[in-house]
Amino acid sequence: ETGVTQTPRHLVMGMTNKKSLKCEQHLGHNAMYWYKQSAKKPLELMFVYSLEERVENNSVPSRFSPECPNSSHLFLHLHTLQPEDSALYLCASSHDFGTGGETQYFGPGTRLLVL
Amino acid sequence: AQRVTQPEKLLSVFKGAPVELKCNYSYSGSPELFWYVQYSRQRLQLLLRHISRESIKGFTADLNKGETSFHLKKPFAQEEDSAMYYCALIRIQGAQKLVFGQGTRLTINP
Repeated sequence: ETGVTQTPRHLVMGMTNKKSLKCEQHLGHNAMYWYKQSAKKPLELMFVYSLEERVENNSVPSRFSPECPNSSHLFLHLHTLQPEDSALYLCASSHDFGTGGETQYFGPGTRLLVL
Repeated sequence: AQRVTQPEKLLSVFKGAPVELKCNYSYSGSPELFWYVQYSRQRLQLLLRHISRESIKGFTADLNKGETSFHLKKPFAQEEDSAMYYCALIRIQGAQKLVFGQGTRLTINP
């Protein structure tokens, strides 16, 4: 599959569970992003990785833990989440980071429900 | 702080009528602005960016620095234009960051 893929597409978890979201990009990009899309808020940037190094963390709670093992893969590890963390989690990638004006390409998202 | 405001959460127009989705921004530097669109059951995707000055699917958007606006316009709306539209701004100072507006749900009535 081309572009940006995310798995799983849907996830239901309890507050004591540990789960991981996976993102893969097939575009040869060097930067990857995690966003959170809640029902009543604008898209919120959570993490940015450039060349596998984290370059931005927007004050995200520690119950969200990102991992970028290589430039094509990005994970979001989840543990002891709260019901208010239920949202659509979007992954995106861009060719570079920090050069300004890079178009970001989005994955389909993972719809997360925390019970 | 950088901010993007889309004052209309919902916008409904009839097919063939002109449509304008409003976007205002606050940014101290030179902004680069985008419109992203999300059709039903599809992923978020770039519609257009102001530096390219393109017309995509009949849509145009002009950056007005005086009014700090980047409104999206189309002279004749089509039913397939129904979607969620997000205005976004690139923050370049310090580190690149894409800041999104709240989004406007556009519905085109037949």
